[in-house]
Amino acid sequence: AQSVAQPEDQVNVAEGNPLTVKCTYSVSGNPYLFWYVQYPNRGLQFLLKYITGDNLVKGSYGFEAEFNKSQTSFHLKKPSALVSDSALYFCAVRDPNDYKLSFGAGTTVTVRA
Amino acid sequence: GAVVSQHPSRVICKSGTSVKIECRSLDFQATTMFWYRQFPKQSLMLMATSNEGSKATYEQGVEKDKFLINHASLTLSTLTVTSAHPEDSSFYICSARVEGYEQYFGPGTRLTVT
Repeated sequence: AQSVAQPEDQVNVAEGNPLTVKCTYSVSGNPYLFWYVQYPNRGLQFLLKYITGDNLVKGSYGFEAEFNKSQTSFHLKKPSALVSDSALYFCAVRDPNDYKLSFGAGTTVTVRA
Repeated sequence: GAVVSQHPSRVICKSGTSVKIECRSLDFQATTMFWYRQFPKQSLMLMATSNEGSKATYEQGVEKDKFLINHASLTLSTLTVTSAHPEDSSFYICSARVEGYEQYFGPGTRLTVT
């Protein structure tokens, strides 16, 4: 079974500081990994995905994620956080054989001015 | 492109009644649509997968007679919560995908059962 874990319920950073949201995965075979962001009472917005290729994936709104096979991690990063980045972030994994997504528990990011 | 809409965005219904939620892919024909449920400050849980013209596949623990899913066309799927109870109150999110692409998510529907 495919699964992801987000070890932090909350991440708090000051505006302008680097932001990291952690995710580890457990899969059989090659992982298909995703990051989504959710604003209050909204659906999910796609940020980026890793299927294959370069370990550093660049996505929307200045976010990037690094795939680390040895540590089975896929941490989301942003060099300089904005107050508007405050939201709920989900890591997800997809079974390569179908398109079902399994989501992590989510991490609430708060960026203070 | 790749916009998915949901209607209504919010609905309040009385216990024992049924409520229908629509999910539409506005600018593409969706091969598959998915329905998720999300409790406050929690993750999304997949309820069912539906393909146009065929019966939905429900995840373990989801009552198919309570959560009726119809995927009548390549751009529309509906979720009907039958005989709703307060514990069915939740945020319901749909997603849609076309062959070769990932899921695009709708904005969600907040259901409150009183």
